[in-house]
Amino acid sequence: DAKTTQPPSMDCAEGRAANLPCNHSTISGNEYVYWYRQIHSQGPQYIIHGLKNNETNEMASLIITEDRKSSTLILPHATLRDTAVYYCIVSETGTASKLTFGTGTRL
Amino acid sequence: DGGITQSPKYLFRKEGQNVTLSCEQNLNHDAMYWYRQDPGQGLRLIYYSQIVNDFQKGDIAEGYSVSREKKESFPLTVTSAQKNPTAFYLCASSIPTGTEQYFGPGTRLTVT
Repeated sequence: DAKTTQPPSMDCAEGRAANLPCNHSTISGNEYVYWYRQIHSQGPQYIIHGLKNNETNEMASLIITEDRKSSTLILPHATLRDTAVYYCIVSETGTASKLTFGTGTRL
Repeated sequence: DGGITQSPKYLFRKEGQNVTLSCEQNLNHDAMYWYRQDPGQGLRLIYYSQIVNDFQKGDIAEGYSVSREKKESFPLTVTSAQKNPTAFYLCASSIPTGTEQYFGPGTRLTVT
């Protein structure tokens, strides 16, 4: 599986958009990008995933660069409840199979 | 309400004792997973099961054992062979064709 690189921490003003970057320069053509978040002392929560195209759901947007070497998770109007550790994960299938969690970004 | 239950939330054991962590789900999911999380670290996969009566080792299976006799249940036993068992343990489940894993609230195990 490809590895990901994320900044250890980021700050965001409440009400502003939070843009969380992820580098996955060794990603292969069939690997998906997943984002999860973990609020303190709770289990992780799925946010969004994508392969090539940008994706949006009720929680966030996922922007994947054309070369797929990096992506950005966008929380459009961050609130205090979005305080969490955000994990960017690359997985070789589009299903919820084995996931490898790094150390993530603390927002 | 459908979901994943892990009990207890906090567990204390003496060194040298085996301990079993419970994980139950009523989501009718075929696949279940156990992860371990140490302070300031990400999750590491211990064991996973794609179907009843079958399971595979994850990245850090040494010192752990599991069983999958029922679809709803996937208990994890932390044996005395696990050198550093104190950690936060998370159970998850998914459907084989689904796109997300659903996590339980976790059990914090402290061994002294």
